[in-house]
Parts: sequence; structure tokens; C-alpha cells
Amino acid sequence: QQPVQSPQAVILREGEDAVINCSSSKALYSVHWYRQKHGEAPVFLMILLKGGEQKGHEKISASFNEKKQQSSLYLTASQLSYSGTYFCGTEREGGGADGLTFGKGTHLIIQP
Amino acid sequence: NAGVMQNPRHLVRRRGQEARLRCSPMKGHSHVYWYRQLPEEGLKFMVYLQKENIIDESGMPKERFSAEFPKEGPSILRIQQVVRGDSAAYFCASSRQGYSGNTIYFGEGSWLTVV
Repeated sequence: QQPVQSPQAVILREGEDAVINCSSSKALYSVHWYRQKHGEAPVFLMILLKGGEQKGHEKISASFNEKKQQSSLYLTASQLSYSGTYFCGTEREGGGADGLTFGKGTHLIIQP
Repeated sequence: NAGVMQNPRHLVRRRGQEARLRCSPMKGHSHVYWYRQLPEEGLKFMVYLQKENIIDESGMPKERFSAEFPKEGPSILRIQQVVRGDSAAYFCASSRQGYSGNTIYFGEGSWLTVV
């Protein structure tokens, strides 16, 4: 079951903040976040495991609410280099088929 | 420290031909995954392999598509008798252990165009 990401797209000015959400209808064990620029490989940002932990990576952080089966990615004081498409990948609790299942992505455009 | 290597980066095939996409995982990684990506779509899981074994092929079309990861050499995704609908970017990813709770790293993709 593909996770649902919101918003589909967001346009920001440099320095503004953004939140990208990822929700699933299934109980989750882990959530993986990636950023992909056009024509390039998805680049790993962070992984969150069941336990509700919040992780940080420079000005990019994320939370995982296992009760709500949701994860959010927070981009603070966005930079031009943050532009791209953000994907969340989810792993169901208990495993199962489909491996890591990705959402359709959120397009982030940062303007100077 | 080379990342996941995929080749060819771009491949053009006529309808009915065969396409072979190759993937060399990162050094020390024995788990390989193939994903397909269409424009404005997410990454769609196809198959998960370990050396000489297919672990999960639930996302692979039943016909024309096959994958292998031999003891020696790269993983191969093979598409026989390609059709226009096979045109997409195919991404390979690898991990040291299984994907459960672990990071998987993607290659730069192979873009297949069927004419």
C-alpha cells in the first residue's frame, strides 16, 4: 500500500521553512526519506524506526508518529540546494511483500 | 568508495527487442533492489534479490521481466519483447543487510526508451 505524501508541491523563498508529510494506512516499522533532483539518483536523507524518534540532519529533521502511522520531514531556513522531489519510503510492521514502498513525492522549489 | 553503479544510463530499444540493465551494488552489499519510476510517479518496487536468490519479486510483471543476481558479476534486469509502456527510469539500490530498518542506496538509474 503506497504511502500518501502531502503537499504534492510547494514553492518557497530561500530561508523559509517547509513541512512534508507522509502517512500510511498500515502499521509501520520504519520510514525512509530521500531527495531526488531531476535526472539523478534519490539521495538518502534519514531513516526513522518505530519508537517515535525524531532525527536531525543539519537543518533537515524528521519525526515518526507510529500511532498515527505518519512521518513528517521538516526543512528549516531552506536553501536553494534543497530544491528537488522528496520521497518517503515505508516498511510495514511485520514485513511482507513490496519491500520499501514509496510515495509519489513532494516537489519542493526554492526561489532566491 | 564507489556507489551503486548502473549501466547503461540510457538505452533505446525498438518494440519487440530485449533490454538488459546492469547493476553493481556498493562494495560489501549483498542485497539488491530494482525499482521503476515513471514521470510524476514514485519509485515502484519490482524485485529484491540476494546473491543467487530472489527474495521478493511481488512487484515484477509476470511476463517478459526477469531479474538475477549471480554469485559473480552484476545484477541484471532483463525485459524481453519490450513495449512502449516499458519506457521508464529503472533504479537499482543496494544495502549491506536487508532493507528492514537499514539504509538502501540508489544508483543513478537507467533510462529506457522504447520506440
